[in-house]
Amino acid sequence: DAGVTQSPTHLIKTRGQQVTLRCSPKSGHDTVSWYQQALGQGPQFIFQYYEEEERQRGNFPDRFSGHQFPNYSSELNVNALLLGDSALYLCASSLQGPGANVLTFGAGSRLTVL
Amino acid sequence: DQQVKQNSPSLSVQEGRISILNCDYTNSMFDYFLWYKKYPAEGPTFLISISSIKDKNEDGRFTVFLNKSAKHLSLHIVPSQPGDSAVYFCAASGMQAGSYQLTFGKGTKLSVIP
Repeated sequence: DAGVTQSPTHLIKTRGQQVTLRCSPKSGHDTVSWYQQALGQGPQFIFQYYEEEERQRGNFPDRFSGHQFPNYSSELNVNALLLGDSALYLCASSLQGPGANVLTFGAGSRLTVL
Repeated sequence: DQQVKQNSPSLSVQEGRISILNCDYTNSMFDYFLWYKKYPAEGPTFLISISSIKDKNEDGRFTVFLNKSAKHLSLHIVPSQPGDSAVYFCAASGMQAGSYQLTFGKGTKLSVIP
């Protein structure tokens, strides 16, 4: 049973560019959340998708956007990259209902912005 | 403004002894608390959780204690094993408020010395 898979694992971009990160949730899960983990910090909530809609959003600018597809997979897009966007981006999946906040995380996509 | 605080960045414990990791929170709306463990190059993995209606939850070598009046929780690992060496994150959510997003602390790096 595959867990949460993310791609790419590492990538390097320059300021002003755009990036797309991808996530496949754990089999049977229908909800995807994205977190940003900066160096030395805990993961910080970006947003959550359920039924192909953004359900909740953390304190992140509109440069951060996402999408969920009918097969529950998800993308995170970041436009106009800043140096401060360098971080580990974690995708997590869950199932709505009891236990909805017990998340299964992927290994993350490490983004470096130069 | 950190709503979940882990004030000890690191902790070293001898194998076989007890490890105690602490976490404080400030938001009274939090009603569900979780501990995640993270190894290098892997995503966080769920360890144990506790609802605010309880003050203790036990799972094998791991026990979480919750003191609501003090807004404090702790994770006890007994006996500690070298494989427990990892970064431990405390996280909280406000399920009653309809929010399943997790707010994480900065983590505590546990080193179990053989």
